[in-house]
Amino acid sequence: DQQVKQNSPSLSVQEGRISILNCDYTNSMFDYFLWYKKYPAEGPTFLISISSIKDKNEDGRFTVFLNKSAKHLSLHIVPSQPGDSAVYFCAASEGSRNNDMRFGAGTRLTVKP
Amino acid sequence: DVKVTQSSRYLVKRTGEKVFLECVQDMDHENMFWYRQDPGLGLRLIYFSYDVKMKEKGDIPEGYSVSREKKERFSLILESASTNQTSMYLCASSLSGQGVETQYFGPGTRLLVL
Repeated sequence: DQQVKQNSPSLSVQEGRISILNCDYTNSMFDYFLWYKKYPAEGPTFLISISSIKDKNEDGRFTVFLNKSAKHLSLHIVPSQPGDSAVYFCAASEGSRNNDMRFGAGTRLTVKP
Repeated sequence: DVKVTQSSRYLVKRTGEKVFLECVQDMDHENMFWYRQDPGLGLRLIYFSYDVKMKEKGDIPEGYSVSREKKERFSLILESASTNQTSMYLCASSLSGQGVETQYFGPGTRLLVL
């Protein structure tokens, strides 16, 4: 039973436009959420996180939004660049120091020049 | 820079073989993890370890075992490989007491079991 779901396996956007990647979770005990980015032949790397006490966290071109009532989070990339083309994984944990994370299936983002 | 290395990028094994996947980290991290990544399923935790000689089962430990004899090295063992263990295997490590963001991943080993 997947507790973290990314229902879009792929997304394609034009360079300069906004990319929106979505993630839903079912476990109400999750209170810390992360996005990882993975290039081919490399391991996932941490991108951005958000605690459940916030509804938004921004880091440069990347913003994560959290809607606790809907158990939904999204990653916005503005503006999108070709170098952003990668697989993006959503992850969740109970507590920011709990290394027992649950990952979604990933969304492959392609940014076209 | 944290470095997590995995012994092989690609492996081809036959059903029934014993398979060892090795992971080494160079940053003195206490925690080490083994995941497998499959299409449509994301990353799933197989085993993890919080200290030398310690191991804890993750979500899908069946068919696997692990060994942590030294702090920097965490081995995943497939006692008798089966075709359903064909997958991408990712190792990760992190510092104790730090946020989950400190979990650093290796490049992965793509295992094909024939």
